[in-house]
Amino acid sequence: EAQVTQNPRYLITVTGKKLTVTCSQNMNHEYMSWYRQDPGLGLRQIYYSMNVEVTDKGDVPEGYKVSRKEKRNFPLILESPSPNQTSLYFCASSSAGAGANVLTFGAGSRLTVL
Amino acid sequence: DAKTTQPPSMDCAEGRAANLPCNHSTISGNEYVYWYRQIHSQGPQYIIHGLKNNETNEMASLIITEDRKSSTLILPHATLRDTAVYYCIVDYNTDKLIFGTGTRLQVFP
Repeated sequence: EAQVTQNPRYLITVTGKKLTVTCSQNMNHEYMSWYRQDPGLGLRQIYYSMNVEVTDKGDVPEGYKVSRKEKRNFPLILESPSPNQTSLYFCASSSAGAGANVLTFGAGSRLTVL
Repeated sequence: DAKTTQPPSMDCAEGRAANLPCNHSTISGNEYVYWYRQIHSQGPQYIIHGLKNNETNEMASLIITEDRKSSTLILPHATLRDTAVYYCIVDYNTDKLIFGTGTRLQVFP
């Protein structure tokens, strides 16, 4: 089944404790992206990647890092999490290139930073 | 800033057609109109997209006005499971897809 898999789905952590949210897709998609969703603010893009070793900032990149060493994986790294990073996170992927592209989203990762 | 304007909420009776409007008056010639929906806190789900012509698939129909400044997503026979937030997005590629806050559709029995 074509899908985007995120782990963990739920996580409670404490301020300053480094964590990684993994994202993996099995559709051989070039494009991958991370979003966060907060009440009343919709989905906001954190980082995106057009292909292996190519990453770029979205609208809210502060406090986050990403890497794209393999085509299928796009982990989101919080080096020193803070309470304002408590949010619902989504990873998405699509085939890249000009024209219409359709995003496939993961099920989401709910992160709480105390 | 979002390039689209949607009503914040709508209601629809089960079994009736749900017509969700979207204004995108600044759309450019090569931008597509996409619709996604998000059921509760699940990952957004792609519904349909179009460029100039009306489109239909197994989930919905998309009607785009001739001047492309607005569109309507039509769910022909809404069910309770269609209760969700519906996002209308215009974009040329997905580098920075802006979702906005969408329309919360409530389907009632």
